[in-house]
Amino acid sequence: GAVVSQHPSWVICKSGTSVKIECRSLDFQATTMFWYRQFPKQSLMLMATSNEGSKATYEQGVEKDKFLINHASLTLSTLTVTSAHPEDSSFYICSARVYRDRGNEQYFGPGTRLTVT
Amino acid sequence: AQTVTQSQPEMSVQEAETVTLSCTYDTSESNYYLFWYKQPPSRQMILVIRQEAYKQQNATENRFSVNFQKAAKSFSLKISDSQLGDTAMYFCAFTPGGAQKLVFGQGTRLTINP
Repeated sequence: GAVVSQHPSWVICKSGTSVKIECRSLDFQATTMFWYRQFPKQSLMLMATSNEGSKATYEQGVEKDKFLINHASLTLSTLTVTSAHPEDSSFYICSARVYRDRGNEQYFGPGTRLTVT
Repeated sequence: AQTVTQSQPEMSVQEAETVTLSCTYDTSESNYYLFWYKQPPSRQMILVIRQEAYKQQNATENRFSVNFQKAAKSFSLKISDSQLGDTAMYFCAFTPGGAQKLVFGQGTRLTINP
């Protein structure tokens, strides 16, 4: 149980275009999803917290107009990287939290590798 | 500020040996949760073990156990009888009880040698 999927697992796009990454909780309802960015050999950096039906909360320094997050249902959150540039190339990971999970555990997706050329 | 510190960037041991990864954290909260996550080369984050701060007993999961020292704000992970499949990045993480965010440490790259 508690499986989170991401699609696509790998994407290459041209500079100036937009790309959408989907995060789905497959066997549970996730009222809260999180988006992380990870550079090579570094830790996970939280970009934003996404609550179903409301606007995402972005971490300081994350451009909300560049990284659009939508959490329209209890099983789906999307991250759209708008007008992508080579510096946006990275590994993006989503995670999901079960509503009222007092253990605060997050279940992670397998990640999406974005390369902007 | 709530922070998690892993002071060992890299570790390497022989197969079947026991290895301990260090983690310290800083918080003023009294209720919180601590986690160790493993990230193998596939980059899928996998929960290894979880500890609730109000529980004095150290958590164990098969070959994995923790040494939780609340007063010292220390949360080390011990891997017994290490296996080649344990090779991965290990992240210590913390979350206050009422909050949603996980705060991650910098990670320790563990290599198990045959």
